[in-house]
Amino acid sequence: KNEVEQSPQNLTAQEGEFITINCSYSVGISALHWLQQHPGGGIVSLFMLSSGKKKHGRLIATINIQEKHSSLHITASHPRDSAVYICAALTGLSDKLIFGTGTRLQVFP
Amino acid sequence: EAQVTQNPRYLITVTGKKLTVTCSQNMNHEYMSWYRQDPGLGLRQIYYSMNVEVTDKGDVPEGYKVSRKEKRNFPLILESPSPNQTSLYFCASSYRGWTEAFFGQGTRLTVV
Repeated sequence: KNEVEQSPQNLTAQEGEFITINCSYSVGISALHWLQQHPGGGIVSLFMLSSGKKKHGRLIATINIQEKHSSLHITASHPRDSAVYICAALTGLSDKLIFGTGTRLQVFP
Repeated sequence: EAQVTQNPRYLITVTGKKLTVTCSQNMNHEYMSWYRQDPGLGLRQIYYSMNVEVTDKGDVPEGYKVSRKEKRNFPLILESPSPNQTSLYFCASSYRGWTEAFFGQGTRLTVV
């Protein structure tokens, strides 16, 4: 079992839909990153959070430390949101990032 | 502009021919790391460095070498590449503690 699990692996949506991507982890963490990877492109950091909730435009990330779970929400999804979304747990002891396998999102007009 | 620069972006090479993928950051970051990304496996750490002349193995270091002679540069060396090293490689950097991670654009390597 992977230490960081994401669901779903693939997600398709119509433009305007509300999207939720989930990340669960089994290790002790100090923070969790959400990353975005566009096809053929590099990886961009969206959020780092250690508690509660963060919002940036149409993106919202939440984390529940007790339940070892984080979610990334996209409101009013748009085709340009199509990308792979990756969560990465920052382990407290070793200062190391452990990555989920990613969620591939496609938003159709 | 703050960035991590990897070169080359694409590389096709033959088995056994030594190659180097360069990584440079302009943010004076202490931490740098190399990852490989394979379908279904996510990003896996190859080597990392917490400062100049300080490097250590990650989860999949076999077949790779690194060096950190200057703070800004962290090259990945494949002394004798093999087809199982065909992958998408990413370099990343951060201030201490990975509070904010910056990634390069990736290097797609094919070893035939």
